[in-house]
Amino acid sequence: AQKITQTQPGMFVQEKEAVTLDCTYDTSDPSYGLFWYKQPSSGEMIFLIYQGSYDQQNATEGRYSLNFQKARKSANLVISASQLGDSAMYFCAMSPRRGATNKLIFGTGTLLAVQP
Amino acid sequence: DVKVTQSSRYLVKRTGEKVFLECVQDMDHENMFWYRQDPGLGLRLIYFSYDVKMKEKGDIPEGYSVSREKKERFSLILESASTNQTSMYLCATSTGAEAFFGQGTRLTVV
Repeated sequence: AQKITQTQPGMFVQEKEAVTLDCTYDTSDPSYGLFWYKQPSSGEMIFLIYQGSYDQQNATEGRYSLNFQKARKSANLVISASQLGDSAMYFCAMSPRRGATNKLIFGTGTLLAVQP
Repeated sequence: DVKVTQSSRYLVKRTGEKVFLECVQDMDHENMFWYRQDPGLGLRLIYFSYDVKMKEKGDIPEGYSVSREKKERFSLILESASTNQTSMYLCATSTGAEAFFGQGTRLTVV
């Protein structure tokens, strides 16, 4: 069965510092996608970054990068130069691919608090 | 921009009522999902659909059913609402490389 594990329920980081949010996954599918989403207090789900299982390079999107270690089945999110607006819940997700069906499953989330 | 619209932002229903949560997307995506979000549990998949009239159970389908008669609309049905179904419900649509979410429906069953 597919599973996403986020072991950090909450984290603090000082403004302007970098922070790593952990995510491990479990799947027997050879092809899959990994995602990170941000959910601020307003409740909307904001897509941050995507990594395909066959992508050779780690994904980056501005201040967000995904540290993809396939052998360890980990997909950690790194936020560089944290800002106060980064305070939010962060979810890691996975989409195992079976033909046209892309079931999307989520971890339990990490609540990040950025301190001034 | 992809738009995913959920019919209500807030709902209050009585125990035993039949409840319909509607979700409409304006893109031509095959995959649509219903999740419930509870503190400490993340987003748990209730049902998903990969085509019209096609559906699959997620991790917590008990007490729920779904309907997808048209590609753009995916409905979640609570046949007989119970207090343990009080939660935030999120609809999503996916291309496989990205998922787009509605604004969520906060359902309270009293």
